[in-house]
Order: sequence, then C-alpha cells, then structure tokens
Amino acid sequence: DQQVKQNSPSLSVQEGRISILNCDYTNSMFDYFLWYKKYPAEGPTFLISISSIKDKNEDGRFTVFLNKSAKHLSLHIVPSQPGDSAVYFCAASPMYSGGGADGLTFGKGTHLIIQP
Amino acid sequence: NAGVTQTPKFQVLKTGQSMTLQCAQDMNHEYMSWYRQDPGMGLRLIHYSVGAGITDQGEVPNGYNVSRSTTEDFPLRLLSAAPSQTSVYFCASSPQQAATNEKLFFGSGTQLSVL
Repeated sequence: DQQVKQNSPSLSVQEGRISILNCDYTNSMFDYFLWYKKYPAEGPTFLISISSIKDKNEDGRFTVFLNKSAKHLSLHIVPSQPGDSAVYFCAASPMYSGGGADGLTFGKGTHLIIQP
Repeated sequence: NAGVTQTPKFQVLKTGQSMTLQCAQDMNHEYMSWYRQDPGMGLRLIHYSVGAGITDQGEVPNGYNVSRSTTEDFPLRLLSAAPSQTSVYFCASSPQQAATNEKLFFGSGTQLSVL
C-alpha cells in the first residue's frame, strides 16, 4: 500500500519553462511534507518543505503547493535550469511522530530532465 | 565540512558473507538512520537511532543489525548476505530526535551487490 505516490516516473521540460512535479498521499495523518533532490551517485539533499498549516511555501525558484482536501502537493520550479535535472523525491510525515518507523515515507521519485 | 560519510562506496559480496557498512557524521546529530533504495522504489527505512545506545527497527529491518555506541558512528551489519539485499544504502542524520519533521542529511550511498 503506497501511501505517497509520485505517478510520473519521468518528466522532460525545456530550459526556462516551468517544471511541475506532483505528489499524492493517502494517509490523512500526514501533515508535514518535504521534497528531496538527488543527483546520480549522490545522496538526496533537502530542497523545501511545507506543513499542513500552510498551502504554499516559496524558496527562490522553488515553490511547493499543498491541497489538503485533495491530498495533493506539487513542486514548481521556475524557471527550470539544466542543473535542476535530477530525481525528486516527495516525502511525508505525521508531525511529532518521534521518528523511526512512523517517520518519513518517501515516494518513488520523479526523474526531471531539463532540455536545452 | 565532511557531513555524513559512508564507506565503502561499492561492495560486491557472495551469498552468505557478512559485512559492515560504515556511517559517520561530524555534525553532532542525535538522530541517525539507514535507508535502502531499490530500482523504481522510494527510500525505505531499515533501522534508526535517536541517540547513543538507542536503536530501533524501521520498515525493512530483517537481515540487518545496527548499534550506536557513539554519537558519531552508526554501522549497519549484514549478517548473511542475500541477493535480495542488493541495493543502494543511504545513511542519514538529523539534529533533532523528532527527525521526521526535520530535514535529513544523507551520505553519498553504498552500492551493494550480492551474487
């Protein structure tokens, strides 16, 4: 039972355009969401997060939107740059779970390819 | 700034062999964890620790042991390697015990093949 779903294994976007990566979740207890970015042969790195008390969080070119009623979040990258080519993981967590087995649940990832 | 250091980067084992994947962090983080990533899968939690002397199981703990004798080190032991343990392993740390609502710092991974 996949609680965090990233239904697009890959996404190709032209440089300078907007990239939109989507993530759906099924567990209504999730109330904190994160995006991680991963380059080949490297570990994931934290990108941006959002808690359920917000519906939008912005950090430079990256914006995450949360629609709690739809159990859906999206990551917008504007404008897309070649260095954004990577795998993006969506992750979700119940707030104050104490870590461990109740901790972060990751999606399978979306491979974003920015074409010149 | 070393961050989270994992060794080795690559390892090939025969079925039944044992080995230890090393993980060390120099950020004085209390929370450390091990994940595995399989093709087409997300990261799955193997074991975690909220501080020295304390460890617990994650989602997929079978076939692995951990210990946490110091804040800095969190080794992952494969007791008797099986082909199903072929995967990329990531160690991660966080400055807070309630690590689920805090960003994790990941090592660069260990690619393990079990023949």
